[in-house]
Amino acid sequence: DSGVTQTPKHLITATGQRVTLRCSPRSGDLSVYWYQQSLDQGLQFLIQYYNGEERAKGNILERFSAQQFPDLHSELNLSSLELGDSALYFCASSKRLNTDTQYFGPGTRLTVL
Amino acid sequence: KNEVEQSPQNLTAQEGEFITINCSYSVGISALHWLQQHPGGGIVSLFMLSSGKKKHGRLIATINIQEKHSSLHITASHPRDSAVYICAVRIKAAGNKLTFGGGTRVLVKP
Repeated sequence: DSGVTQTPKHLITATGQRVTLRCSPRSGDLSVYWYQQSLDQGLQFLIQYYNGEERAKGNILERFSAQQFPDLHSELNLSSLELGDSALYFCASSKRLNTDTQYFGPGTRLTVL
Repeated sequence: KNEVEQSPQNLTAQEGEFITINCSYSVGISALHWLQQHPGGGIVSLFMLSSGKKKHGRLIATINIQEKHSSLHITASHPRDSAVYICAVRIKAAGNKLTFGGGTRVLVKP
């Protein structure tokens, strides 16, 4: 158990819908990262937050947004969902910015029908 | 061409064998990570390297910054080592974002 929690574990929804994925980092970790793992693209970095501020952005679509709240938990919002958004979404956390090992959550499996 | 290339893509070994997985990258990096993804999907961070060598149990990771190459070695492999091993690099010029290799699927047979 990495100490990073993600909810829900599984999510099945329809095209065009909007969903919110939630991540609670390890106690004391200030940095949160979101990743997408799909069958055809592998693991991809989406976005990083540090102590509430966005610090790095990867291949995140405009339909996706994220935020980190004052209690350091983070949410990833996916809207106007398409079939191709079906993937595993991982959250990871680390104590500091970029200099530490990242601890991964168990992931949320999103299926868009 | 991908910025991070791993080889081999697939590897089958007999229990007890020494396993080596390679990772080459083409960009300037500030650190390199090795991750292990279990069949159930969970990801565990094994090592973070910026130079030299690190060892944890039967796992050894090395990095050669000049040659832009890293290796992950598994000594005395065991069936429980069966997993996908993923190399990821933190790219200096890209705001330190993490870029992943395609992974190496390892199967250790008893």
